[in-house]
Amino acid sequence: NAGVTQTPKFRVLKTGQSMTLLCAQDMNHEYMYWYRQDPGMGLRLIHYSVGEGTTAKGEVPDGYNVSRLKKQNFLLGLESAAPSQTSVYFCASSYPPRRGNSPLHFGNGTRLTVT
Amino acid sequence: DAKTTQPTSMDCAEGRAANLPCNHSTISGNEYVYWYRQIHSQGPQYIIHGLKNNETNEMASLIITEDRKSSTLILPHATLRDTAVYYCIARGGNKLVFGAGTILRVKS
Repeated sequence: NAGVTQTPKFRVLKTGQSMTLLCAQDMNHEYMYWYRQDPGMGLRLIHYSVGEGTTAKGEVPDGYNVSRLKKQNFLLGLESAAPSQTSVYFCASSYPPRRGNSPLHFGNGTRLTVT
Repeated sequence: DAKTTQPTSMDCAEGRAANLPCNHSTISGNEYVYWYRQIHSQGPQYIIHGLKNNETNEMASLIITEDRKSSTLILPHATLRDTAVYYCIARGGNKLVFGAGTILRVKS
């Protein structure tokens, strides 16, 4: 099993450009999450999904859109990138919390720089 | 999910036990306590979780007080590779919000 795979690993964008970050998981998890982490800070939740076709806002959703067309994939889109979106983006997946045994599994991150 | 409070940083001597405390005084009955760690800039790594009973796995032990208002993560024999940020989270709902965590520095 590959676990949680994020692509790309690195990306440099110019202000105003758009891009999509892809997260794929092969653990049949219902829940998926997108976090960002700025230098020296903790993780902040951007958006999450509790199942195929559903998404919800997290702590810092502005400037991002997401889609969950397939259970195994969760896409994070930046329509018009800004320097403030320079960050490391982490994707995670899990079973529903009601199952109890539902730790999050994280990918290795996408390092995005917006100039 | 209940808010958790952790010390900002801790030091531990290599080979000694590292005891990381977490306060979750407003935890509800269906919320599990999860511990993760993040080494440098890697993705967070799951360590252990529990509801009421103490738990142990190959990485660590988790001690939860009887009233469930606090817990302690124990790394029995800390090594330099255990230097990381450790996050304690109370999870019951759909969101999983991370706090600032505890920076554990293991020193030789």
